[in-house]
Amino acid sequence: AAGVIQSPRHLIKEKRETATLKCYPIPRHDTVYWYQQGPGQDPQFLISFYEKMQSDKGSIPDRFSAQQFSDYHSELNMSSLELGDSALYFCASSREKGQSQETQYFGPGTRLLVL
Amino acid sequence: DAKTTQPTSMDCAEGRAANLPCNHSTISGNEYVYWYRQIHSQGPQYIIHGLKNNETNEMASLIITEDRKSSTLILPHATLRDTAVYYCIVRADYGGSQGNLIFGKGTKLSVKP
Repeated sequence: AAGVIQSPRHLIKEKRETATLKCYPIPRHDTVYWYQQGPGQDPQFLISFYEKMQSDKGSIPDRFSAQQFSDYHSELNMSSLELGDSALYFCASSREKGQSQETQYFGPGTRLLVL
Repeated sequence: DAKTTQPTSMDCAEGRAANLPCNHSTISGNEYVYWYRQIHSQGPQYIIHGLKNNETNEMASLIITEDRKSSTLILPHATLRDTAVYYCIVRADYGGSQGNLIFGKGTKLSVKP
């Protein structure tokens, strides 16, 4: 079965640079979630989109922005990168069925290293 | 904050059943219990979820107490590849602000030969 695709899988950036992470949800999934997992930490919710609209916002820095496109893929844009942004970034997708949200399935993640 | 409490770590012998407990005493009537696991920095993997009835799939069984304040994930025949951090998460099964997953510390399960 098709899974969530994330690209790139690894990314190395310098401080103050920008980075764009991409997420391609499972076909027919309309909701995308972004999570950040710092070294030794548990995943933390950043932001989510449903039908191209932001549906919820977690602990996402103002330097980060995201959007969901008409084909349901999503991009997380990160500017003025800091050393502390080094982390694994996971995307998950699900679909809304009626008034309920179905199970979230995660991608393999993007490992970002800021030097 | 996470709404669940899990042991920090557990060991299990290969081939034996692994029983992972989770307390969720403040669970609401519309919240499901979800289990995910994460194998060494891979993306969290969905295992199973339930509302109030016991559930079983090809990976595991989920036993939820009648008062729904706790549950147990059972891996019937643990293998070395089941070594991972297991997260128990309660989540209302509708979108918007209730849809995202709140990860706690999880249980690090070590399956030993």
